[in-house]
Amino acid sequence: EVQLVESGGGLVQPGGSLRLSCAASGFTFSSFEMNWVRQAPGKGLEWISYISSSVNTMHYADSVKGRFTISRDNAKNSLYLQMNSLRAEDTAVYYCARVYTSSSPYYYYYYMDVWGKGTTVTVSS
Amino acid sequence: DIQMTQSPSSLSASVGDRVTITCRASQSISTYLNWYQQKPGKAPNLLIYAASSLQSGVPSRFSGSGSGTEFTLTITSLQPEDFAIYYCQQSSSTLSITFGQGTRLEIK
Repeated sequence: EVQLVESGGGLVQPGGSLRLSCAASGFTFSSFEMNWVRQAPGKGLEWISYISSSVNTMHYADSVKGRFTISRDNAKNSLYLQMNSLRAEDTAVYYCARVYTSSSPYYYYYYMDVWGKGTTVTVSS
Repeated sequence: DIQMTQSPSSLSASVGDRVTITCRASQSISTYLNWYQQKPGKAPNLLIYAASSLQSGVPSRFSGSGSGTEFTLTITSLQPEDFAIYYCQQSSSTLSITFGQGTRLEIK
């Protein structure tokens, strides 16, 4: 079964750090790009970070740039999100999501087809 | 960043109804548009990719259309399990993926 399982969430004080993990199984993890997406309580979805399959390209949303670092260990089938200088507005459920991409001269596909169940991060004193 | 705006923000409908949700992009995104469904306490689930392609396993009552800046998600013959929040997402600018604000579909 294709599966993503996040872990590492919890309660942290403002200014603190947390490292989220996402364990992949049931597919060739090293072949897929990955995203982190978060959802604040009662709010919509916000993409926050992307990493290529070969670990040579990372992108970040402006809201987390300079504070969060995405990484992956293909040998361990794992994705990570190091979160530093956390703020109250970082409180959210954090999802990892597999990115499916495919392209030809006639089409281009980029979508998130597998999602984990999420891990909750609460930033509060 | 490309802004995605959905309308309506909420919608009430009955089982068996046909509903349409609209998503507009702040600039042309060709057909680089995906739709997701999210139920309370659950992760999003991909419904439609590339504006009109139905994801495997998704019922055929879901369909998508559009290109450029205006897109629609249509659900024909609403079922009880379809009451959820729906999000559009653009993949034209993969440096900065953006979602619409969501449309809450409620039972009338």
